[in-house]
Amino acid sequence: EIVLTQSPGTLSLSPGERATLSCRASQSVGSTSLAWYQQKPGQAPRLLIYGASSRATGIPDRFSGSGSGTDFTLTISRLEPEDYAVYYCQQYGSSLTFGPGTKVDI
Amino acid sequence: QVQLVQSGAEVKKPGSSVKVSCKTSGGTFVNYAISWLRQAPGQGLEWMGRIIPLLGIPIHAQKFQGRLTITADKSTNTAYMELSSLRSEDTAVYYCAGGADYFGIGWGQGTLVTVSS
Repeated sequence: EIVLTQSPGTLSLSPGERATLSCRASQSVGSTSLAWYQQKPGQAPRLLIYGASSRATGIPDRFSGSGSGTDFTLTISRLEPEDYAVYYCQQYGSSLTFGPGTKVDI
Repeated sequence: QVQLVQSGAEVKKPGSSVKVSCKTSGGTFVNYAISWLRQAPGQGLEWMGRIIPLLGIPIHAQKFQGRLTITADKSTNTAYMELSSLRSEDTAVYYCAGGADYFGIGWGQGTLVTVSS
């Protein structure tokens, strides 16, 4: 099973700042078989990025994804108040597994 | 816009089974996969399995082999997840989601299943 590790566990930033979230896989997930989700308390997750760098429908362009193989990054260029949430990466190169999440808070 | 609506919260005894439904609307049910995931309290997400209603063949994560049954009823556009031999560690919010590899078609609202004696 591919294990995903996310860092940092918590990211404390102010509105307008840039957020950089990391996701590392225990083995290659294929070139782009990685997705990112945002989850707010009491809500279902929302897909942000698939294929490592493709934004899902309706996702603002301040969200961007990059990386391949074992190292991936989600960048939020300028944090908006509604972006404070937990972010999960998920690989689908070999079965499906999720990372433990990164909480972005103020 | 595809909508997925799940059945309500359940409280179950250890050793029993639970069956959660996921009714879809606004899309072509048979054309995409319905996956099931769960999230234990304060924890991350765990994929359980999926089914493509057109094919009717489920795929289960190895962890749940033998305990998990995923089915789909094309006549009612509804998918089902049944988990047996429940234990306290199965207490979680269970989600259905549209998609096979990643889940962007839509999510259900979640169903809390509590396993307690």
